[in-house]
Amino acid sequence: DTEVTQTPKHLVMGMTNKKSLKCEQHMGHRAMYWYKQKAKKPPELMFVYSYEKLSINESVPSRFSPECPNSSLLNLHLHALQPEDSALYLCASSQHVPRNTEAFFGQGTRLTVV
Amino acid sequence: QKEVEQDPGPLSVPEGAIVSLNCTYSNSAFQYFMWYRQYSRKGPELLMYTYSSGNKEDGRFTAQVDKSSKYISLFIRDSQPSDSATYLCAMNPQGAQKLVFGQGTRLTINP
Repeated sequence: DTEVTQTPKHLVMGMTNKKSLKCEQHMGHRAMYWYKQKAKKPPELMFVYSYEKLSINESVPSRFSPECPNSSLLNLHLHALQPEDSALYLCASSQHVPRNTEAFFGQGTRLTVV
Repeated sequence: QKEVEQDPGPLSVPEGAIVSLNCTYSNSAFQYFMWYRQYSRKGPELLMYTYSSGNKEDGRFTAQVDKSSKYISLFIRDSQPSDSATYLCAMNPQGAQKLVFGQGTRLTINP
């Protein structure tokens, strides 16, 4: 099973709303990632969690708040977003370094901020 | 100069043709190389994963890495309309968690 499951698939939210994106994997991977992808662009890394600890924050605005409750789950809490934050948000997982292995992506949450 | 260069296309070929997709890179520390296929409005799907130099084959797909030239390729044999998608190369050095992506190549296979 190489599945990374993301919910919801689609989300429309207002600029004053608070919402959360969820990601789950059961491959025993200890590294989990949030990426943002705009149309016709490659994914851009936002956050990396290693062994449930935040290891990389790519200078992401504080209106995006990640959380890793356990080794299988990853959340992204959203608050006071802007219309330009509309994008496909992708979760990925891989085995932890130094055993670099392939990274598997979920199907994404398509977020629209109105 | 980007760390990874990939021609965005679009690339259009007839069904049954051999497709060649390529990326060049500048960071000699890259050790792990991946190819992803992404259909419109979906997440990237891992196609091929290669460590260091060499070839790897999986069905109709062959990945090649030439570290001396800093050049990687993905070949698709007997291309099908269902192969129409954006293909992304990605790579990272040993011990690094951040994947560096190419821009992606939009491929269309015409029946």
